[in-house]
Amino acid sequence: AQTVTQSQPEMSVQEAETVTLSCTYDTSESNYYLFWYKQPPSRQMILVIRQEAYKQQNATENRFSVNFQKAAKSFSLKISDSQLGDTAMYFCAFLGNAGKSTFGDGTTLTVKP
Amino acid sequence: GAGVSQSPSNKVTEKGKDVELRCDPISGHTALYWYRQSLGQGLEFLIYFQGNSAPDKSGLPSDRFSAERTGGSVSTLTIQRTQQEDSAVYLCASSPPTGLPSGNTIYFGEGSWLTVV
Repeated sequence: AQTVTQSQPEMSVQEAETVTLSCTYDTSESNYYLFWYKQPPSRQMILVIRQEAYKQQNATENRFSVNFQKAAKSFSLKISDSQLGDTAMYFCAFLGNAGKSTFGDGTTLTVKP
Repeated sequence: GAGVSQSPSNKVTEKGKDVELRCDPISGHTALYWYRQSLGQGLEFLIYFQGNSAPDKSGLPSDRFSAERTGGSVSTLTIQRTQQEDSAVYLCASSPPTGLPSGNTIYFGEGSWLTVV
């Protein structure tokens, strides 16, 4: 069974600064997909970024980028130029080839003005 | 519709009553997931449907919970004899077939907030 671990229950960052959220996972599969989702107080789960395990290049979406270390089974999210609207709960997620998904317990990020 | 649709968005029910929560996935999506999220907590996997295969029910917390998916599309999550600890947001998600450019991405609905009083 896959596991996803987010070791930081809560984090805070000053507006305009950079913050990195950690995620590690465990799997025996060689091909899979990793995601970061953002959940603001509205509860809507919003896809932030997606990484395919067979791609070595780290995914980037505007201010959001990942550091994907396949051998170490690590998938951290970097948010640059943090904005107040980035305040939310962030979930790291794993999706295997069989379609089974596993989510971490989440990291609550607060961006301070 | 363009996204995953869930109904009702909010439901208040009395302890002991049965409730049904509905999920209409994105058209063409073969995978459908149900999760439960208590206030301030992470996502708890409940059940997973993939095409015509037998569902993965390993996350259902008790035999009071059941789900079905008719015609490979709409799904209903049923909770019988509701208890106060069932109060949570129930999130549905769907995913397109693998091999598509957008495949292997999970898209979420807005959730159904259940309160058992």
